Amino acid sequence: DAGVIQSPRHEVTEMGQEVTLRCKPISGHDYLFWYRQTMMRGLELLIYFNNNVPIDDSGMPEDRFSAKMPNASFSTLKIQPSEPRDSAVYFCASTPNTGELFFGEGSRLTVL
Amino acid sequence: DQQVKQNSPSLSVQEGRISILNCDYTNSMFDYFLWYKKYPAEGPTFLISISSIKDKNEDGRFTVFLNKSAKHLSLHIVPSQPGDSAVYFCAAGNEKLTFGTGTRLTIIP
Repeated sequence: DAGVIQSPRHEVTEMGQEVTLRCKPISGHDYLFWYRQTMMRGLELLIYFNNNVPIDDSGMPEDRFSAKMPNASFSTLKIQPSEPRDSAVYFCASTPNTGELFFGEGSRLTVL
Repeated sequence: DQQVKQNSPSLSVQEGRISILNCDYTNSMFDYFLWYKKYPAEGPTFLISISSIKDKNEDGRFTVFLNKSAKHLSLHIVPSQPGDSAVYFCAAGNEKLTFGTGTRLTIIP
């Protein structure tokens, strides 16, 4: 079975550019989470969805960040405009219930 | 404000000995606790979990202990093996999980 699939794996962009990260959760999982990993703060929850509906976006750092889940098999995390401090690894995770999370391999973002 | 804390950023242990990783949390409403293991360039993978109604859960070489009164969680790995070298994250929560900052474990052959 395919796990959580994220793209791109690596993204290098310049400050001010728009960045879109993509996630395909495991089929049948009702919950989808976006996390960001940095050295200083570890894994921070940005936003999560239940049945495609955003439940808690309190972790989204600012208005430059937005996330959507138009259907059960696809989600995007967008940063516009991007800044150097957004550089991090962004993980998507899914779960069928409120227990163990299954993570993708992450998208490493570098903003120059 | 960090609700889940891992105060040791790194730990080195001799192969064959016991590795003990610690985690503290502040929210007494958390009822589910997990440990994840992460290798470089990979996503975190689930290792072991415990619910708030228990104080110990064991799975092979891995045991998780929960002390609710102290709001403390620990992971014991015995015996430690070189393949255990990784970053370990503890997580706690209910519907959503809050993660600690991670502890890098290095097993010395």
